[in-house]
Amino acid sequence: SAVISQKPSRDICQRGTSLTIQCQVDSQVTMMFWYRQQPGQSLTLIATANQGSEATYESGFVIDKFPISRPNLTFSTLTVSNMSPEDSSIYLCSVALDGETQYFGPGTRLLVL
Amino acid sequence: AQSVTQPDIHITVSEGASLELRCNYSYGATPYLFWYVQSPGQGLQLLLKYFSGDTLVQGIKGFEAEFKRSQSSFNLRKPSVHWSDAAEYFCAVGAGGSQGNLIFGKGTKLSVKP
Repeated sequence: SAVISQKPSRDICQRGTSLTIQCQVDSQVTMMFWYRQQPGQSLTLIATANQGSEATYESGFVIDKFPISRPNLTFSTLTVSNMSPEDSSIYLCSVALDGETQYFGPGTRLLVL
Repeated sequence: AQSVTQPDIHITVSEGASLELRCNYSYGATPYLFWYVQSPGQGLQLLLKYFSGDTLVQGIKGFEAEFKRSQSSFNLRKPSVHWSDAAEYFCAVGAGGSQGNLIFGKGTKLSVKP
């Protein structure tokens, strides 16, 4: 497996502001993923982030709302822009190791007031 | 459409009792199947996975799961539950992790009675 860290671990934000979440992995990986887990719900894939190319977004998620950076093979950021209370969720990054299995970070717990 | 169903939202078992968490999937191709556990305030930890071969797979923490193609199921089992197993369990299906499109079930919350 890999050691995956996320910053911040939690935050409380005001509506209309933006928050950037960082994901760091201790080994080089080709593919990193960002998921959202709304309160009491399961995980939904937001986008796939490949180094050196634009992120690929899932239906219902757009780059203007969730811009993603992937500057190298061990790091990615997800920004939640112009936040509203509906953005209150846990945001998790994951990486694909051995080409088949995803391992998850500890998550960022976001509350928007 | 691809989907994962975990029919039990919440299960309570006594410590030391056996456990079975159900998972049914709908997937057009040969699925890759996973079980993850999420303890309170934590991220997701991989318990086990099935890609091919032996349909009974062993995982960490004494868990096992059995793939039954005829029933489109991948149920998770543990012969004797410990209090530390209290958590939320998610079943997921995909074409392979590198494809990114893991489909998760809604999860089953496990409570353990002393």
